[in-house]
Amino acid sequence: DAGITQSPRHKVTETGTPVTLRCHQTENHRYMYWYRQDPGHGLRLIHYSYGVKDTDKGEVSDGYSVSRSKTEDFLLTLESATSSQTSVYFCAISETDPEYYNEQFFGPGTRLTVL
Amino acid sequence: RKEVEQDPGPFNVPEGATVAFNCTYSNSASQSFFWYRQDCRKEPKLLMSVYSSGNEDGRFTAQLNRASQYISLLIRDSKLSDSATYLCVVTFSGGYNKLIFGAGTRLAVHP
Repeated sequence: DAGITQSPRHKVTETGTPVTLRCHQTENHRYMYWYRQDPGHGLRLIHYSYGVKDTDKGEVSDGYSVSRSKTEDFLLTLESATSSQTSVYFCAISETDPEYYNEQFFGPGTRLTVL
Repeated sequence: RKEVEQDPGPFNVPEGATVAFNCTYSNSASQSFFWYRQDCRKEPKLLMSVYSSGNEDGRFTAQLNRASQYISLLIRDSKLSDSATYLCVVTFSGGYNKLIFGAGTRLAVHP
């Protein structure tokens, strides 16, 4: 299995509080991604990174920010959590551009509940 | 219309059965195609890529039909361990190269 860890694995927080989720990889892959998964929806891309300090928005980026100061770490921050951000969050990595049949490897996920 | 659509199922089949899933995609410029498998409360994992010529991996066969914009997954001789959700994934260049995930088709194989 690819070396990807996510922390915390479970978190319950209250509306309006800031939350940071961490993704750590030991594969030295260039690309890193944050997705959320909700019932009835496929995984939806929040933000992605194509290198250290290089990040861009995905399709559901409102209310989220990211940072990548090292190759191995990609942080997702909810500036002020809302109940609509209750979800399962997956981090993923890929060695090269995902377009050309390059596999994405996923972390174990973080279950976030916002009360 | 969703960019990638799948029948959510569940497909309930007995061991040994053959089962097929289809997935339709809306963007004709889509370039890469995959099937991922996701076990309950686990992360998705790549099952197989889907190439234009079709491909097979043991009991699993994947096909791509670009003209009709769908991909399929055939599972022969189903095992209990095949019970999972199967995610159809399509990539295309939409400002950035991105993967679009279907919501998944749930398969339950029973004894």
